[in-house]
Amino acid sequence: DADVTQTPRNRITKTGKRIMLECSQTKGHDRMYWYRQDPGLGLRLIYYSFDVKDINKGEISDGYSVSRQAQAKFSLSLESAIPNQTALYFCATSDTSGGASGTDTQYFGPGTRLTVL
Amino acid sequence: SQKIEQNSEALNIQEGKTATLTCNYTNYSPAYLQWYRQDPGRGPVFLLLIRENEKEKRKERLKVTFDTTLKQSLFHITASQPADSATYLCALPLSYKLIFGSGTRLLVRP
Repeated sequence: DADVTQTPRNRITKTGKRIMLECSQTKGHDRMYWYRQDPGLGLRLIYYSFDVKDINKGEISDGYSVSRQAQAKFSLSLESAIPNQTALYFCATSDTSGGASGTDTQYFGPGTRLTVL
Repeated sequence: SQKIEQNSEALNIQEGKTATLTCNYTNYSPAYLQWYRQDPGRGPVFLLLIRENEKEKRKERLKVTFDTTLKQSLFHITASQPADSATYLCALPLSYKLIFGSGTRLLVRP
């Protein structure tokens, strides 16, 4: 089984609809992230969470919200979807081992392709 | 502000040759740098990490160099194979997060 799973894998929706993308992980990592990827723009961070009680905005959080339901679950919501939110969305995890010399090597899910019409 | 640059043009090479990809950064002194591979429609996969005090790191056919004076990392794939065709991303740490470059697409012709 995959360590980081995302549901749904594909979603087509209409402008104004509320959408939730879900991410689950079995790696036991504390840190979880949501990114979106657009052609030519690379990965951009939407939100990140370093533990269940810690939620932080990334560089493009407007129009999105998140919920960290448990260490293993991190969901992303689009309250009112708009066409320019059409993109590929990735969830990722990393652990905090290594202390000050540690690194944030990230493990990505398979992605959700979202189309907003 | 910090900036990461990777060549947006695809690199097209013949099988068996060495592929060299570049990652440049500005306004920044990262403690380490990472390289990821991404296949179409899939999530990035971690390949290698190199720290600021390391000049070179190898893993099988992969080699990464890190020049903190030039603010540049080079990623080499020797004896390239068509299966190496993918997009390669570099990533640097910033405030307990990773910042990713936009990636360079590598095409290896049989």
